[in-house]
Amino acid sequence: DVKVTQSSRYLVKRTGEKVFLECVQDMDHENMFWYRQDPGLGLRLIYFSYDVKMKEKGDIPEGYSVSREKKERFSLILESASTNQTSMYLCASSLVPGPPKQPQHFGDGTRLSIL
Amino acid sequence: QKEVEQDPGPLSVPEGAIVSLNCTYSNSAFQYFMWYRQYSRKGPELLMYTYSSGNKEDGRFTAQVDKSSKYISLFIRDSQPSDSATYLCAIRDNYGQNFVFGPGTRLSVLP
Repeated sequence: DVKVTQSSRYLVKRTGEKVFLECVQDMDHENMFWYRQDPGLGLRLIYFSYDVKMKEKGDIPEGYSVSREKKERFSLILESASTNQTSMYLCASSLVPGPPKQPQHFGDGTRLSIL
Repeated sequence: QKEVEQDPGPLSVPEGAIVSLNCTYSNSAFQYFMWYRQYSRKGPELLMYTYSSGNKEDGRFTAQVDKSSKYISLFIRDSQPSDSATYLCAIRDNYGQNFVFGPGTRLSVLP
């Protein structure tokens, strides 16, 4: 069974802090994704990566960066956290070519609050 | 206009009812249509996908696509309390890795 593990379920940080969200998958998937989920807006793609050290911007990359040094690990970085980045963050992975032919497997999310 | 619209609910039905969940979309380039189920405090999981107009059935679930009306539906027959979740539609064009999610409909099936 594919497992996507996000390092924290709940996180509280202060404005201006640099925040790291970690995601690890155990199925050797090439693709990894970071989304945020907000009520009434659905999931919105922040960044995705199709290989180690490769990254592509999604719909809302501003204020975020990512790192993929190893195939199994994809990190989301909030360079200087702001209150409008309070949200649920979801990581996902998939085989190439990606959804829908290869479904995404999601982690259980990190609920991040920026005070 | 949002690219994908979905009634957020909540929708409450009695056990055994037929449930109809719907999304409308605006971009005729969209080719792939997916339904995800998300239980509370969990990540979404893919239920079904299709890339053509018409119906696709999987057990108690039927996905329906009407490209001419830009309208997709998910039907759940003989609904169970375990079907209580948020259902998200997701739509993709033929070229990109990205796709657009609807905001989700929260469904409660009451025993």
